[in-house]
Amino acid sequence: AQKITQTQPGMFVQEKEAVTLDCTYDTSDQSYGLFWYKQPSSGEMIFLIYQGSYDEQNATEGRYSLNFQKARKSANLVISASQLGDSAMYFCAMGQSGGSYIPTFGRGTSLIVHP
Amino acid sequence: NAGVTQTPKFQVLKTGQSMTLQCAQDMNHNSMYWYRQDPGMGLRLIYYSASEGTTDKGEVPNGYNVSRLNKREFSLRLESAAPSQTSVYFCASRRTASTDTQYFGPGTRLTVL
Repeated sequence: AQKITQTQPGMFVQEKEAVTLDCTYDTSDQSYGLFWYKQPSSGEMIFLIYQGSYDEQNATEGRYSLNFQKARKSANLVISASQLGDSAMYFCAMGQSGGSYIPTFGRGTSLIVHP
Repeated sequence: NAGVTQTPKFQVLKTGQSMTLQCAQDMNHNSMYWYRQDPGMGLRLIYYSASEGTTDKGEVPNGYNVSRLNKREFSLRLESAAPSQTSVYFCASRRTASTDTQYFGPGTRLTVL
């Protein structure tokens, strides 16, 4: 069984600062994918970034990067140069590669960016 | 390109009433999913369909049924609504490659009185 843990219910960051949102996972699969999604107050789920378990380099997408530490089973999201529009809920998710993809989501972290 | 669409956006039901939530995707995706989102609980999988013609239970299937009508459409039915089913419901779709993300619909906010 897969499990995703997001230990920070809420985080605060000053505009233009960097912030790290934590995600740890548990799985017995060797091949899996890790995803981060953003959910603003309007409610839609927006895909941010993906990391495969065999990817040797950390994924980056613009201001988003994923700090992937496989041995520690962590996949933290780093947002650089925070903007007011980054205020939202952030969800970490994982799914096994191949076969039936049954994703597991964490409970989310609420990020508030202060001006 | 509409992506994933859901209807209705909002619904209020009385206990015991039935209703069907509709979901359609125009991205030719094989897999489709239904989630519910409750405060502090993240997203929990209700049912999914790995491909046209197949459906499987997720984490919280009790009280729900699904139909994969064709490759585009995946509906969720509440036969006898209960207050515990008050939630926001999301439909999602996905291609099949391991790197593929899910694409989510805008959600349906359901209240059961």
